[in-house]
Amino acid sequence: DAGVIQSPRHEVTEMGQEVTLRCKPISGHDYLFWYRQTMMRGLELLIYFNNNVPIDDSGMPEDRFSAKMPNASFSTLKIQPSEPRDSAVYFCASSLAGRETQYFGPGTRLLVL
Amino acid sequence: AQSVTQLGSHVSVSEGALVLLRCNYSSSVPPYLFWYVQYPNQGLQLLLKYTSAATLVKGINGFEAEFKKSETSFHLTKPSAHMSDAAEYFCAVRGNSASKIIFGSGTRLSIRP
Repeated sequence: DAGVIQSPRHEVTEMGQEVTLRCKPISGHDYLFWYRQTMMRGLELLIYFNNNVPIDDSGMPEDRFSAKMPNASFSTLKIQPSEPRDSAVYFCASSLAGRETQYFGPGTRLLVL
Repeated sequence: AQSVTQLGSHVSVSEGALVLLRCNYSSSVPPYLFWYVQYPNQGLQLLLKYTSAATLVKGINGFEAEFKKSETSFHLTKPSAHMSDAAEYFCAVRGNSASKIIFGSGTRLSIRP
């Protein structure tokens, strides 16, 4: 059974460029979460979806960040334009309604130069 | 509002020694509590969870945690540390939304040979 899949695993880009991170949740899961992890701020919840609908985006740092979930098996997190302070590891996680356990993907390590 | 506080950002123990990672919680409702582990360059993985059943919860890899309401604590223990236990450990509590989890700042566990 495949877990949460994220791509790319590593991304190096220059300041000002657009970055798109991708996530495929576990099949059948109806919740999807995007987190950001940095040394300074730890693990932060950015946004989460239920049945493809954004429920809480209060953690999205700025308008430069946007997330979509066009269907139950795919979500994107986009940063446009990217800045060096966006450098972090971005995790996607999914869960099933009524089950509190979240299953994390391996993360995307983003470096913005 | 729900929150967790992890005492000690870094814990170092000798191989074979007791592991004790401390976590205190705050919750306005009966808490659901979790411990997750993150190995280097990987996503988070559930170690164990408390959901109001038995107060002593056993998890994977020989870890266990005891829920103590009077102390608002949920400390993680393992009788004998192994080198493979070196990782970052996160305590977490269910948030206001049933599917939202609030993570602590993490404790890095190092194992000395």
